[in-house]
Amino acid sequence: GQQVMQIPQYQHVQEGEDFTTYCNSSTTLSNIQWYKQRPGGHPVFLIQLVKSGEVKKQKRLTFQFGEAKKNSSLHITATQTTDVGTYFCAAVPPPDMRFGAGTRLTVKP
Amino acid sequence: GAVVSQHPSWVICKSGTSVKIECRSLDFQATTMFWYRQFPKQSLMLMATSNEGSKATYEQGVEKDKFLINHASLTLSTLTVTSAHPEDSSFYICSASQTRDVQYFGPGTRLLVL
Repeated sequence: GQQVMQIPQYQHVQEGEDFTTYCNSSTTLSNIQWYKQRPGGHPVFLIQLVKSGEVKKQKRLTFQFGEAKKNSSLHITATQTTDVGTYFCAAVPPPDMRFGAGTRLTVKP
Repeated sequence: GAVVSQHPSWVICKSGTSVKIECRSLDFQATTMFWYRQFPKQSLMLMATSNEGSKATYEQGVEKDKFLINHASLTLSTLTVTSAHPEDSSFYICSASQTRDVQYFGPGTRLLVL
């Protein structure tokens, strides 16, 4: 069945360093979404990527969708302590969404 | 927009009792609602998908009779944990979607079964 692999599982960075999490699928995806869950909170939708090779930016966050629509990445430039949390990718195979295991980011001030 | 509420936010109950959790989409009609379970520092585990007016579709390994799901309207879905036991203690999160695409999550319910 549909497999969504997300790496790394954990990432600890010094404030100001960059951070990247990767999501890979065994099959071609319809679209991919990214969510952020703060400690103690619930997942919050960040963005959806639909087109092959698509790149979207939200301030210091850059989201990419691979040309083959099988992988995606989220890159944070110059991390801040407010970036702490777990970042999940969610792949739409179809028919239903499957979440990756998440990457837990901690930032040392 | 796209606000989802969940009630209660936390509950402590005795073993053997049943607990009902409500999930409401406040400002949109949700054709599909999802129920997840999340253990500490782990990913979201999809339990079931429910569409308004029809039976829920449960993921493999999730007991239908244990976790009763009702999606009575386009804005309300309920999850009832029947005869709860300590191993059912977890963080239960619902989400709602208009298009089976982007999901908007509720704040979650922390269940502790003593």
